Amino acid sequence: EVQLVESGGGLVQPGGSLRLSCAASGFTFSDYWMHWVRQAPGEGPVWVSHISPDGTGPTYADSVRGRFTISRDNAKNTLYLQMNSLRGEDTAVYHCARDHAAPGAFFDHWGQGMLVTVSS
Amino acid sequence: DIVMTQSPDSLAVSLGERATINCKSSQSVLYSSNNKNFLAWYQQKPGQPPKLLIYWASTRESGVPDRFSGSGSGTDFTLTISSLQAEDVAVYYCQQFYNTPYTFGQGTKLEIK
Repeated sequence: EVQLVESGGGLVQPGGSLRLSCAASGFTFSDYWMHWVRQAPGEGPVWVSHISPDGTGPTYADSVRGRFTISRDNAKNTLYLQMNSLRGEDTAVYHCARDHAAPGAFFDHWGQGMLVTVSS
Repeated sequence: DIVMTQSPDSLAVSLGERATINCKSSQSVLYSSNNKNFLAWYQQKPGQPPKLLIYWASTRESGVPDRFSGSGSGTDFTLTISSLQAEDVAVYYCQQFYNTPYTFGQGTKLEIK
């Protein structure tokens, strides 16, 4: 069974940093593109970033480029999101999501999500 | 960025009746090289992550009941639930994966009348 479990969220002050982790199991992690998608309270999902199976070519939404860094450790089956210079508008539940095996960036498995709250 | 606009924002349908949700993209998401529309539909229930229902506009994900169907091409798409069941109460989102940033619609809340 595919499982994605996020950790590392919490309350942080504006300007602060957090690192999210996503532990993957039940599939060959190194074969898949992986994504971070966030969802502010009461809002729809917003794609944040993705990374290729070998960790090259990360891509970011404009709203986080230069502040967030996606990475992965295929030996540990873990996806990361380093978030720096956090702002109030970054407050959201952050999900890691697996790219479907079929061509195209749509998401067939999602983690339950981790709440990040940016507030003083 | 491609803007995805869903209609209506909310919808109330009687059990056993048909529910129809529309999604319009600000530019075509039809990928000419393989003639596939890069459009997906998701269902989200409270406290849960989104669940993939449909991809390539009309291909049902494995395990999704056949009362769910997707149609459309180019810029206009529809998700249809042929006979509404109580467990279908949720918010539904469309998503384009034609190019980055991948974008979602604002959501349609489906309720029982």
